[in-house]
Amino acid sequence: ILNVEQSPQSLHVQEGDSTNFTCSFPSSNFYALHWYRWETAKSPEALFVMTLNGDEKKKGRISATLNTKEGYSYLYIKGSQPEDSATYLCAFPLWFGNEKLTFGTGTRLTIIP
Amino acid sequence: KAGVTQTPRYLIKTRGQQVTLSCSPISGHRSVSWYQQTPGQGLQFLFEYFSETQRNKGNFPGRFSGRQFSNSRSEMNVSTLELGDSALYLCASSGGDGNTEAFFGQGTRLTVV
Repeated sequence: ILNVEQSPQSLHVQEGDSTNFTCSFPSSNFYALHWYRWETAKSPEALFVMTLNGDEKKKGRISATLNTKEGYSYLYIKGSQPEDSATYLCAFPLWFGNEKLTFGTGTRLTIIP
Repeated sequence: KAGVTQTPRYLIKTRGQQVTLSCSPISGHRSVSWYQQTPGQGLQFLFEYFSETQRNKGNFPGRFSGRQFSNSRSEMNVSTLELGDSALYLCASSGGDGNTEAFFGQGTRLTVV
């Protein structure tokens, strides 16, 4: 059984501050790690799909790093804006090329104006 | 490019009834996955269809079933509804190789009374 854990569960950050949160996953048999952003009343939206140890990906003010040997990924948001308020989910496929994603329970981020 | 479309958006059913939810994937995507989200739970995988065949299955009772048509559209059926089936049901489409992002619909909110 795959276990994907995210911490913290929720976070309140002042507008303009930077923040980060963690996704932990089984380091054995790593295939890929997905990050999604889920805003209230919208669909989850993919941020990154990471496959290589040491990968670092960036999309605007959001970036992610991946350490497959120790089984964690960090998501960073620089200069938080109100529109960053959302639940951030990470997910792990069952095996290489498999579409069955096991999701963490997410980090709920609230940006305080 | 049109996104993933789920219908209906909201549904209220009575215990014991059955329900069918529909998902139209992004054009060209052959994989459709279904997820359930209940309060306090992360996204739980129900099943995945690829080229009209169920390729992956989650740990849900046999009351939950699905199918996929030749145009990749998918339906999910829940028979003998229980109160605990009240949830947001999301479908996601992707190319089917497991290493690319999943594109989610806005979901169907099912309430069982």
